[in-house]
Amino acid sequence: EAGVAQSPRYKIIEKRQSVAFWCNPISGHATLYWYQQILGQGPKLLIQFQNNGVVDDSQLPKDRFSAERLKGVDSTLKIQPAKLEDSAVYLCASSLVPGGLYNEQFFGPGTRLTVL
Amino acid sequence: GNSVTQMEGPVTLSEEAFLTINCTYTATGYPSLFWYVQYPGEGLQLLLKATKADDKGSNKGFEATYRKETTSFHLEKGSVQVSDSAVYFCALRSNQAGTALIFGKGTTLSVSS
Repeated sequence: EAGVAQSPRYKIIEKRQSVAFWCNPISGHATLYWYQQILGQGPKLLIQFQNNGVVDDSQLPKDRFSAERLKGVDSTLKIQPAKLEDSAVYLCASSLVPGGLYNEQFFGPGTRLTVL
Repeated sequence: GNSVTQMEGPVTLSEEAFLTINCTYTATGYPSLFWYVQYPGEGLQLLLKATKADDKGSNKGFEATYRKETTSFHLEKGSVQVSDSAVYFCALRSNQAGTALIFGKGTTLSVSS
């Protein structure tokens, strides 16, 4: 079974530029998550989708971050404009169902963003 | 709010040594608890989990017991190997507040031969 795919794996941009990340979840997984992992910290949820609807975006800096999941499959996360503090690894995860005992989240390899 | 606190790293051990990585949590209700591992250059992988008090999760020789009285979920392994070198994250999922994971800061384990 193919895992969660993310691209690009690495991205270097200058502050005030824009950047986009792509995620393709495991086939059939209804729930998709974007996490931000700053160096030395644990991942922090940015946004959670259930199919193509947003379940939780309370920690998404909406003045610069946006995300969409058209057709309820793959998803893109965009930052515009980027700030130095956005340097982090952006992780995408998916799960079969949103709750219950069996909703293990499977993580992609992440996109490492460096903002100069 | 809900949170997870892990012991600071890095933890440096010799092969075959005993490992403990402490994890405590703060949460309302009865959360599920997890340990994830991140090997160098790879994504996060679920190592083990426990969904209710006194449950013991185990996998690959690692164990952790859900202790509600001490709000802890310490990770242990009796004999570590060089291949266990990785970053370990303790996490919780509150059954009341949705399904996203809340992670600790991670503990780096380095095992030498």
